[in-house]
Amino acid sequence: DTEVTQTPKHLVMGMTNKKSLKCEQHMGHRAMYWYKQKAKKPPELMFVYSYEKLSINESVPSRFSPECPNSSLLNLHLHALQPEDSALYLCASSQVIRDRTRRYGYTFGSGTRLTVV
Amino acid sequence: DAKTTQPNSMESNEEEPVHLPCNHSTISGTDYIHWYRQLPSQGPEYVIHGLTSNVNNRMASLAIAEDRKSSTLILHRATLRDAAVYYCILRDVGSGGSNYKLTFGKGTLLTVNP
Repeated sequence: DTEVTQTPKHLVMGMTNKKSLKCEQHMGHRAMYWYKQKAKKPPELMFVYSYEKLSINESVPSRFSPECPNSSLLNLHLHALQPEDSALYLCASSQVIRDRTRRYGYTFGSGTRLTVV
Repeated sequence: DAKTTQPNSMESNEEEPVHLPCNHSTISGTDYIHWYRQLPSQGPEYVIHGLTSNVNNRMASLAIAEDRKSSTLILHRATLRDAAVYYCILRDVGSGGSNYKLTFGKGTLLTVNP
């Protein structure tokens, strides 16, 4: 299995709702990432998890709350979002240990298209 | 991460080679050169990476200048499915290599004409 699976693919939520985005991978990768991508812009890093522990938070507002319950799953909990948070949310995973003899690129999911109304 | 400079857009014809340039004049000795592409409505996809020597894989070739201040991603025969945004990214894994950030620049939008 060489995929990162994100659910749901599309989500519409109100500003008072609570919702969660889910990401799953079975490649044995121990680093997982959340990115946010606005239309016609490059992806921007939000969070990095390494060995199920949060290692990087790129000053993301607290209305976004990540969670890594195990080495295969990554969640992004959403609460009290604003319309400007509407974007494509991408999950990615990668190996943690550098190994020059193997590919160590990121594998991305197809994303969740979030609309906040 | 060191900065890269790419043209905003390029155009190619189907079945012709495409050379996508990337300048990285401030590259350090431990920076790897990575290329990703993002097809419409999809997440980014790893294409290729290299350090000093030219690299080939089933998707593309990566030509790295001798001084490493520039590189070129080569698609040998462009197809319509190669139309995407191509990102050139420098990654420093010389300091111990645990997890690391992948920072995207603006990339090059490649249009392939039939």
